[in-house]
Amino acid sequence: GENVEQHPSTLSVQEGDSAVIKCTYSDSASNYFPWYKQELGKGPQLIIDIRSNVGEKKDQRIAVTLNKTAKHFSLHITETQPEDSAVYFCAASSGGADGLTFGKGTHLIIQP
Amino acid sequence: NAGVMQNPRHLVRRRGQEARLRCSPMKGHSHVYWYRQLPEEGLKFMVYLQKENIIDESGMPKERFSAEFPKEGPSILRIQQVVRGDSAAYFCASSRDRGTYEQYFGPGTRLTVT
Repeated sequence: GENVEQHPSTLSVQEGDSAVIKCTYSDSASNYFPWYKQELGKGPQLIIDIRSNVGEKKDQRIAVTLNKTAKHFSLHITETQPEDSAVYFCAASSGGADGLTFGKGTHLIIQP
Repeated sequence: NAGVMQNPRHLVRRRGQEARLRCSPMKGHSHVYWYRQLPEEGLKFMVYLQKENIIDESGMPKERFSAEFPKEGPSILRIQQVVRGDSAAYFCASSRDRGTYEQYFGPGTRLTVT
């Protein structure tokens, strides 16, 4: 089955700086890679996703890159703000109606 | 509220009791997924259902756990004879149809077994 590794487990950055979270996956059949943001006591919120036919996707301050050959994908957050503080999860699936396989999460801390 | 709804938000059960968790998908969505999140862990897929059908239950424990999504009403995750190790947050997600990749999550049910 699929295995997703996520690094780092904790990331502390100064407000205004950029943050990068990296994930690797094992199953070459995976073709869908979403990122979720989870705040304390809440459910995961889909913030951006990418499919295997695309190498990069941007949405305002958030971007995701995918390297299919190396089987890794990354989340980039620029100009970080206090409200970006949360736990971020990457996930992978072979798309369609399959269940997602999640990484263990990154606790992002934005220092004022 | 057009989002995924789950209830109860918090559930306390004693060892040996039954827990029933409910999930109503987003309007227009016909696919439901259940995930379990242990403290400081990522989410683990449990089961995927469509109306009246279990499509994939590869992540469900073989005993004590069951799920259904009837023609009418919410999806139910049922845990019989709960044990302390069942304490976790249980999240439901929904998607529009089989060809839709995006899954949207509810707020979760936090189960505590005493």
